[in-house]
Amino acid sequence: EIVLTQSPATLSLSPGERATLSCRASQSVNTYIAWYQQKPGQPPRLLIYDGSNRPTGIPARFSGSGSGTDFTLTISSLEPEDFAVYYCQQRSHWLFTFGPGTKVDI
Amino acid sequence: EMQLVESGGGLVPPGGSLRLSCAGSGFTFSSYAMSWVRQTPDKGLHWLSSISDSATTTYYADSVKGRFTITRDNSQNILYLQMNSLRAEDTALYYCAKDHFGGYGKFDLWGQGALVTVSS
Repeated sequence: EIVLTQSPATLSLSPGERATLSCRASQSVNTYIAWYQQKPGQPPRLLIYDGSNRPTGIPARFSGSGSGTDFTLTISSLEPEDFAVYYCQQRSHWLFTFGPGTKVDI
Repeated sequence: EMQLVESGGGLVPPGGSLRLSCAGSGFTFSSYAMSWVRQTPDKGLHWLSSISDSATTTYYADSVKGRFTITRDNSQNILYLQMNSLRAEDTALYYCAKDHFGGYGKFDLWGQGALVTVSS
């Protein structure tokens, strides 16, 4: 099983600031990493898939990068609605696994 | 609007069974692989099972293999998860999720979740 580690656990920032979230895999997952945002009482929302691809409707301030074992989600300028928990997830190997999450708070 | 709506959650004793349903609308259900993912406060998000668009192929996490069965009815746009031999550790919020076009494991639409509690 591929273990995903996310850092930091909590990121305290202000609106307008840049957020950089990290995800590290226990072995190479190529670029098969997705990032999700989850707000309280809501299901996860796909932000990035396959490392750097944004689904339709995801704002351009969200970007993903990385390959192999190290990945980054960047939010270029935080909007008030971006304060949430962010999870990475790999689909390189069955079984798919998720990281423990990074909470971005004000 | 694309939507997934789960139903069938509830309280069940250890060793019992439950069947979750997930109704899809607003998209061509039969064109996409579908999956089940569960979430608990302590263990986080955990992928359980996926099924191909045509229902010919299924995949399971080891934790549920042999106990849970994923199926789908494309004529009714419904995804199912039959859960047998339930354990306390199966207590969770269960989500169904649609896979993004072009492969498994890119969950681009999620339901609101169905709460399953396994307790005597």
